[in-house]
Amino acid sequence: AQSVTQLGSHVSVSEGALVLLRCNYSSSVPPYLFWYVQYPNQGLQLLLKYTSAATLVKGINGFEAEFKKSETSFHLTKPSAHMSDAAEYFCAVEYGNNRLAFGKGNQVVVIP
Amino acid sequence: DGGITQSPKYLFRKEGQNVTLSCEQNLNHDAMYWYRQDPGQGLRLIYYSQIVNDFQKGDIAEGYSVSREKKESFPLTVTSAQKNPTAFYLCASSIVDPYLNEQFFGPGTRLTVL
Repeated sequence: AQSVTQLGSHVSVSEGALVLLRCNYSSSVPPYLFWYVQYPNQGLQLLLKYTSAATLVKGINGFEAEFKKSETSFHLTKPSAHMSDAAEYFCAVEYGNNRLAFGKGNQVVVIP
Repeated sequence: DGGITQSPKYLFRKEGQNVTLSCEQNLNHDAMYWYRQDPGQGLRLIYYSQIVNDFQKGDIAEGYSVSREKKESFPLTVTSAQKNPTAFYLCASSIVDPYLNEQFFGPGTRLTVL
C-alpha cells in the first residue's frame, strides 16, 4: 500500500532562511506526488505536483520540489522563507482511482 | 468563479444526532471525495465517488454515509454510529484522469459534537 512519511510535525525557520520539508513515499509503481498547503481553518491549495515530466518541479510562491526515485523522496524547498509561508504543508501520493494518501503534515513557523 | 463550497463552516450537534455536511462543486468534475482531518493525523479518506449514483468506501467509512444523486453534489452524513465525530471535514473534487489528477478542495466544515 502507498504511504507517505513526513518527519517533524513542527518546523521552525527564520525569515529569509531556507525552508526544507522532507517527504518520503512508498509506491509500487511510478508515483504521482503532490505538495499542498493549508492556512488555518481553510482547505488545501496545491503547491506543485510531480507527474514524471521533470524531476525538479516548480510550484507557486517560490516553492520547488525534487523527485529522487533512488531515495523515494520528494522534498519541498524554498530558498528564502517569508512570514506568509507560515502554514501547514502536506505531501501526498496518488494510489489509484485518483485517490491520495497524505502524510501527517508539517506545521511551519516562521520566526522574524 | 468555479470552485467548491461547503456549508456550514461551523456545525455543532448533540451526541447521538445524525448530521449532514454539504458539498457542492461547479467545476464539472466527475470525481468527488470526503476527507476527515484531525490534528497531527493528516487527511484520511472517508468516501469517494467517480460517477453519479456510484461511490466507494475509503479508509475510515464506518459511521459515515454519502449519496451522489447529482454530479455537482456529494453530501456526507455523520451518523450516531461514528464514535468520535468531532473533526474538520474537507470535500474535494477532480477530473477522472491519471495525468490531470489534481484534487481541488473546499474550505471545510468544522464539526463539534457536544
